[in-house]
Amino acid sequence: DQQVKQNSPSLSVQEGRISILNCDYTNSMFDYFLWYKKYPAEGPTFLISISSIKDKNEDGRFTVFLNKSAKHLSLHIVPSQPGDSAVYFCAARPTDSWGKLQFGAGTQVVVTP
Amino acid sequence: DAGVTQSPTHLIKTRGQHVTLRCSPISGHKSVSWYQQVLGQGPQFIFQYYEKEERGRGNFPDRFSARQFPNYSSELNVNALLLGDSALYLCASSLEGDNQPQHFGDGTRLSIL
Repeated sequence: DQQVKQNSPSLSVQEGRISILNCDYTNSMFDYFLWYKKYPAEGPTFLISISSIKDKNEDGRFTVFLNKSAKHLSLHIVPSQPGDSAVYFCAARPTDSWGKLQFGAGTQVVVTP
Repeated sequence: DAGVTQSPTHLIKTRGQHVTLRCSPISGHKSVSWYQQVLGQGPQFIFQYYEKEERGRGNFPDRFSARQFPNYSSELNVNALLLGDSALYLCASSLEGDNQPQHFGDGTRLSIL
């Protein structure tokens, strides 16, 4: 049962433009959401998170938006840089299990010059 | 500060064998979670340990077990290995409580022949 879905397996964006990654979830018990970036042969690196009591969180070039009614979150990267080329995972944590994350399948981002 | 460290980096085993994977959390982190990632998918939650006690278990067979030591390091054990156990095994640590992101190690790549 895939409760966290990233429906776009890949995204290509020009350097300097905005990258928008999307994530949908089905479980109303999720209360904390995270984005991770993963390079080949490395573990996932934490990027940014958002609590369900907020609708936006910003950290430098990264902004996460949460729409609870639509059960949808997105990650905006502005401006995109070549080093942003990686796989991005959306993750969600249920209220009653703070040590457990459920991940989407990931989106491969390629930033072209 | 050192991040999450995992050993070994790579491991090759044959069907039916047993394997032990090790993880050292970030200093000060008392929670350790284990995940399995197969190609093309996001990480899948296996276990969480906090203060040496199991706090969560994912949908994995009893062949999978884990423990946490007084220094908060952890071991993941898998018995009677199957070909389908071939995957990247990730360990993550975090501070306890709400809105604390998990930080991942680079994983152990396990190949079953």
